[in-house]
Amino acid sequence: DIQMTQSPSAMSASVGDRVTITCRASQGISTYLAWFQQKPGKVPKRLIYGSSTLHSEVPSRFSGFGSGTEFTLTISSLQPEDFATYYCLQHFDYPWTFGQGTKVEI
Amino acid sequence: QVQLQQWGAGLLKSSETLSLTCAVYGGSVSGYYWSWIRQSPGMGLEWIGESNDSGSTNYSPSLKSRVSISVDRSKNEFSLKLNSVTAADTAVYYCARVWYAPFDSWGQGNLVIVAS
Repeated sequence: DIQMTQSPSAMSASVGDRVTITCRASQGISTYLAWFQQKPGKVPKRLIYGSSTLHSEVPSRFSGFGSGTEFTLTISSLQPEDFATYYCLQHFDYPWTFGQGTKVEI
Repeated sequence: QVQLQQWGAGLLKSSETLSLTCAVYGGSVSGYYWSWIRQSPGMGLEWIGESNDSGSTNYSPSLKSRVSISVDRSKNEFSLKLNSVTAADTAVYYCARVWYAPFDSWGQGNLVIVAS
């Protein structure tokens, strides 16, 4: 299985901060990488697919970058509604695997 | 915008079979892969598997011996069956669609508790 490792596991940030989350794959996955946001008690939402393509209606303050084994999700200016847990997912090879999550809190 | 609505038994005993169904509204089940994902309490997300309407399936190796996912074109829905459940299968189960990439649309989630 391809292991996906996110860092950090948790972070404290303030409104207006630039936030970057990293996701590393145990082997190359090209750009078969998606990012999801999940708020407590809510259904996950896709933010980005293909490593850098924004899902429809996702604010432009979110961006993704990377290929191969290292990927980043950046929030350019953190908003109150962005406090959540973020997960990466590789779909290059089966079984598809998620990172362990990064909790962004105040 | 496609919408997924899922349902199924929420409380099971060990060794029983978990059965969940996800109905697709505003679109067809044909032409896509349909997945199930689960999340144990306080934990991360785990991909269970997927199927398309032609019966092509892919499953997580850790669950492959116990899981079955099928798509019913006539009802425009798809289903998950997981047999011989244990407390370790207690989780919120989500259905989701694969369109160009995983998972652009999700069901609302079902909490399934397995009591010993």
